[in-house]
Amino acid sequence: AQSVTQLDSQVPVFEEAPVELRCNYSSSVSVYLFWYVQYPNQGLQLLLKYLSGSTLVESINGFEAEFNKSQTSFHLRKPSVHISDTAEYFCAVKRRGSNYQLIWGAGTKLIIKP
Amino acid sequence: KAGVTQTPRYLIKTRGQQVTLSCSPISGHRSVSWYQQTPGQGLQFLFEYFSETQRNKGNFPGRFSGRQFSNSRSEMNVSTLELGDSALYLCASSLDLWDGAYEQYFGPGTRLTVT
Repeated sequence: AQSVTQLDSQVPVFEEAPVELRCNYSSSVSVYLFWYVQYPNQGLQLLLKYLSGSTLVESINGFEAEFNKSQTSFHLRKPSVHISDTAEYFCAVKRRGSNYQLIWGAGTKLIIKP
Repeated sequence: KAGVTQTPRYLIKTRGQQVTLSCSPISGHRSVSWYQQTPGQGLQFLFEYFSETQRNKGNFPGRFSGRQFSNSRSEMNVSTLELGDSALYLCASSLDLWDGAYEQYFGPGTRLTVT
């Protein structure tokens, strides 16, 4: 069965420092990949997604993620974090084709230290 | 376009009671999914409806049920509530979840507390 692993449950980082949130998935077939963000007391919202084409995808607020097929990873990075980035980040994977469920990681809490 | 709305936002119930939560998807979206979110278990998939049919179901007991109406609005019901059912219940809509190119849009959730 397909699975998504977010190894870090929490990542503390100083403001203006770079950050990487890791996501690995288990699948030998083609997949779609997503990062969702959940700000405190809110629902989730899509941050960025990889469907096909360029393996590097970017969001409007400075995050980027790179699809690495050989390592089955889709790590999320930001070169300089702000206090407003404090949130929980979820990685999700869906196998291409119908009748396949979206599989979610356990989430990583990004804690920004002033 | 209005976002996904969920009612009520907060609910307190007693063990053994039942509860119904409501979700109105974004206009035009036919897929509605429900999730349970708890600090210990994270985000757990409950079920997904598309055009009034349940297409996928997570690993939850039969006390958890749902339905979708012809206008795509959805309800989920939990009968015989247990303390462990205390959680944030999230609803998400999509044009078609089975087409992975379409993202999910989440509502703010219903916070259920069982005492």
